[in-house]
Amino acid sequence: SAVISQKPSRDICQRGTSLTIQCQVDSQVTMMFWYRQQPGQSLTLIATANQGSEATYESGFVIDKFPISRPNLTFSTLTVSNMSPEDSSIYLCSVSQGGNEQFFGPGTRLTVL
Amino acid sequence: QKEVEQNSGPLSVPEGAIASLNCTYSDRGSQSFFWYRQYSGKSPELIMSIYSNGDKEDGRFTAQLNKASQYVSLLIRDSQPSDSATYLCKNSGGSNYKLTFGKGTLLTVNP
Repeated sequence: SAVISQKPSRDICQRGTSLTIQCQVDSQVTMMFWYRQQPGQSLTLIATANQGSEATYESGFVIDKFPISRPNLTFSTLTVSNMSPEDSSIYLCSVSQGGNEQFFGPGTRLTVL
Repeated sequence: QKEVEQNSGPLSVPEGAIASLNCTYSDRGSQSFFWYRQYSGKSPELIMSIYSNGDKEDGRFTAQLNKASQYVSLLIRDSQPSDSATYLCKNSGGSNYKLTFGKGTLLTVNP
């Protein structure tokens, strides 16, 4: 399985600011995903990060709010823009090879005041 | 109808018992099925995958897949308190390629 790291592991941010979360994988992977998980809830897919092209967003998520970059096959960033307290959540990077088994990073715990 | 439905739980079993976790899915074209375990405050980890009808055993864990009935289950034998976690099922492939997770079932194993 791939080894995935995320930075930062946690942050406390002020309303109206932006935070960029980094996801680094120790090997090249086909697919990278960003999820959000609110306390006691299941995983919600935000978007699929596509290497070399624009991310594919799920219903309810837009690029202006969650811009994503994926410059190569081992790295991606998710920015949470113009944050509000409702954005407080755990953000998880996940990777997959060919859409089968999926592996998760340790997550970024975001609190917005 | 949601793509993946799990028995809502929470599920509580005594130590040593068999815990049974169930998941149904709507997309008949689904090819792959996975069970993830998520401890509180941690990220999900893959524990079982199953691709064909029947049973697949790995230690105390058995995944069962029935494509005709569109359900997949996870049995945990000789449950231990360390098995206490939320279990998520997921399918992939099919007509609407999407990595869809169920809501999860919280399992508590009581000593």
